[in-house]
Amino acid sequence: SQTIHQWPATLVQPVGSPLSLECTVEGTSNPNLYWYRQAAGRGLQLLFYSVGIGQISSEVPQNLSASRPQDRQFILSSKKLLLSDSGFYLCAWSANTGGSYTFGSGTRLTVV
Amino acid sequence: AQRVTQPEKLLSVFKGAPVELKCNYSYSGSPELFWYVQYSRQRLQLLLRHISRESIKGFTADLNKGETSFHLKKPFAQEEDSAMYYCALSFYAYSGAGSYQLTFGKGTKLSVIP
Repeated sequence: SQTIHQWPATLVQPVGSPLSLECTVEGTSNPNLYWYRQAAGRGLQLLFYSVGIGQISSEVPQNLSASRPQDRQFILSSKKLLLSDSGFYLCAWSANTGGSYTFGSGTRLTVV
Repeated sequence: AQRVTQPEKLLSVFKGAPVELKCNYSYSGSPELFWYVQYSRQRLQLLLRHISRESIKGFTADLNKGETSFHLKKPFAQEEDSAMYYCALSFYAYSGAGSYQLTFGKGTKLSVIP
């Protein structure tokens, strides 16, 4: 069966420090991968998506970037965190034929 | 552009009362709609999808294309139904690399009062 792993679960980072959040999927090949940010009262905002290795599409301009070095690995990064980057980040995957998403357990990022 | 609207941020009902979580969508194509649920301290998970036409945990949702709605209903609320519920619309985005994407509503927090 397919599983998705996301880590770390929580992270506290100082302003200006770098960020790396990792997401991996098991049990499937060539998944579509997504990074979302979830904020109370604002729903889920799509940040990045990827349809294949090295293929990244950004939905919103921001201080973050994403990479997909392997088929089932998706990384969210920042060179210098801002206070406004604090939030709950979710990774998700779906089959490339559409349909429902499966979400990771999320990372609570607090920038101090 | 596609859009999902959940008009209620918070819905409180008594245990045993009927529940209806509202969802309206805007989409020019043929919609595929989902309900996701997030229980406290658990990950966001799929509750049901309209093409399955199934009942999950007593919840049902019918797609009404005339009213562009996909309301989630349950005849008798249980305390364990308390959670955050998101309505979502699947569409194919031709921009960028092109892929299927989900647009989410802002969510409704359901609180079932014992």
